[in-house]
Amino acid sequence: GAVVSQHPSRVICKSGTSVKIECRSLDFQATTMFWYRQFPKQSLMLMATSNEGSKATYEQGVEKDKFLINHASLTLSTLTVTSAHPEDSSFYICSARTSGTGGRQETQYFGPGTRLLVL
Amino acid sequence: AQKITQTQPGMFVQEKEAVTLDCTYDTSDQSYGLFWYKQPSSGEMIFLIYQGSYDEQNATEGRYSLNFQKARKSANLVISASQLGDSAMYFCAMTPYSSASKIIFGSGTRLSIRP
Repeated sequence: GAVVSQHPSRVICKSGTSVKIECRSLDFQATTMFWYRQFPKQSLMLMATSNEGSKATYEQGVEKDKFLINHASLTLSTLTVTSAHPEDSSFYICSARTSGTGGRQETQYFGPGTRLLVL
Repeated sequence: AQKITQTQPGMFVQEKEAVTLDCTYDTSDQSYGLFWYKQPSSGEMIFLIYQGSYDEQNATEGRYSLNFQKARKSANLVISASQLGDSAMYFCAMTPYSSASKIIFGSGTRLSIRP
């Protein structure tokens, strides 16, 4: 399957600082990437859809000024948690959509996730 | 409304037995895709299997098969000959094709395999 990487895998920061998380599709180009957050023992909740070369589309209830998304190339999307607070502590996962060409169905491959702890 | 329902929060199964994880969905879309993902304790989401709404045959991938019953709107995952490494959270998910590839996840089922 396709490979998606995330960096960093784990980050601890002080309250009030900003944290950037990178999501890369390593062996395919992804015009669309997605950002999710997952609280312990809960399901994944979609935060936003990241579109290469255009503004991200945020889900209802997600603050776009707090969670800045940039999709500058076909293989890289970044999520920046600005002025992080303890309630932002969570597991953040990105996914990248394959195009479904060559007889393969379209599907999404997920990065390994980033655990953010805000003290 | 688009919704995925997994009614089994946790399951225990003896090693080498088959197990069925339940999933029902609700959508008004005629075209959609159904997925199962596995999430071990490390947190990564591992794609297991995909079923398109117009696929007439049930999808199979190795020990995984998807029991797709369109009229009942169910997409149960069957794992044959379970292994200890199958212990993980399992999420059923759906992409209504009208939603620009957004994936909607169920609440998950925690599967524990007993040796």
